[in-house]
Order: sequence, then C-alpha cells, then structure tokens
Amino acid sequence: GEDVEQSLFLSVREGDSSVINCTYTDSSSTYLYWYKQEPGAGLQLLTYIFSNMDMKQDQRLTVLLNKKDKHLSLRIADTQTGDSAIYFCAESINTDKLIFGTGTRLQVFP
Amino acid sequence: GAVVSQHPSWVICKSGTSVKIECRSLDFQATTMFWYRQFPKQSLMLMATSNEGSKATYEQGVEKDKFLINHASLTLSTLTVTSAHPEDSSFYICSALLIGGASSTDTQYFGPGTRLTVL
Repeated sequence: GEDVEQSLFLSVREGDSSVINCTYTDSSSTYLYWYKQEPGAGLQLLTYIFSNMDMKQDQRLTVLLNKKDKHLSLRIADTQTGDSAIYFCAESINTDKLIFGTGTRLQVFP
Repeated sequence: GAVVSQHPSWVICKSGTSVKIECRSLDFQATTMFWYRQFPKQSLMLMATSNEGSKATYEQGVEKDKFLINHASLTLSTLTVTSAHPEDSSFYICSALLIGGASSTDTQYFGPGTRLTVL
C-alpha cells in the first residue's frame, strides 16, 4: 500500500538551514513533490523531482531523493520567518493522483 | 499563472442544509480537478476526482450521494455537501490539473480552501 510519513515538527533559528524529511513505501513513484501550506490557506507547490533524479536545486531549496531507501528531503537554506508553515511531501504513482504525507510544521524563530 | 480560486472562503450553515463550493481555474483549462478534505492538523485526504463532462470518481469510503460533484466546464467544478451535519465540518480544498509539456510533469495547482462549519 501507499504510505507517506513525515516528522511532525521542526524548529530552527532564522538564518539556519532547515531539513524536512519524508519516507514513502511505494517504489513505483514517478514524481515526488513538496508543497507549502500557510495557516488557513491552500497548498503552494514548491518543487518536484522525477524519480530517476537524485537531486534538484531551486534557489534556496534543495531536494534530495534516495530511491533505494525511499527517502526524500527538502533543505531550505537561510531559513526566514516567512518560511514558517506546514510542508507536505507527496508522491504520484503512474497517475495524476497525489498521496500526501502527514505534514511537517516548520517554526522559525528569530 | 496557474491560479485556482475557491468560493466561498468560509461558510457556516445549519444542520440539514446543503452547501455548494466552487473551484475555478482562472488562467488555464482543467479537464481534471480534485477535491480534498483536511481535518485540523492532519494531511489532505483525496475525496474524488472530477472529470469535465463525465462522472466524478470517488475514493473508497466517500459517499457520492452526499458529496455531489459537477464539472460542467473546463474551468469550473462544484462540490455540493448535501444535508450537511456537524461531522462534515472541515476544510475543503480543490486542485486543478495543469497538463505538462514535453519537459514537465502534469501539476496540481491548489485553491485557497473553503472552511465549512455545520452547526
């Protein structure tokens, strides 16, 4: 079955790097995504990675994919207070349907 | 680009009434839209896939007679919660699927969500 897990909470100091981790169980994932959700709002797509890649960088965001261990991470460099939000990883498996992780609440303090 | 809106942003209704939520893709056409439900501090659960011009596909455990979906045009899908009860209170989020080109994947763009409270 499909199961996507994330740690619940991460707290970092402003200016430090944040690393949010995600593990999934279905090895036939085609794409993996990271979404950001601010309080009371919808989801904003941050980035995605194709399953045959192991790294993707987009400005302050770096996505690492370890397909063997079914582990995905999102690193945010120079974390700012505006980065405080809930971050969801999601996988798609040969369809356009997304399976979402449990979400990680990132809190950035000054 | 790729903006999705939802209306209303929040709604409070009495038990037993029906509530309609609209999801619109503002700058692209979407043959496929999705409806999700999110409980406080939880992840998104897919309720159904809305297909323009055909019947929606519901996920296991979702009552199709209670959650009516209509996708009458390429930019509009509606979710009607019929005979709402307090347990239907939740945050409902839609997404619209933007078909990718040769070098990009199909991507879901999400609306801002609708908070439904049933008294």
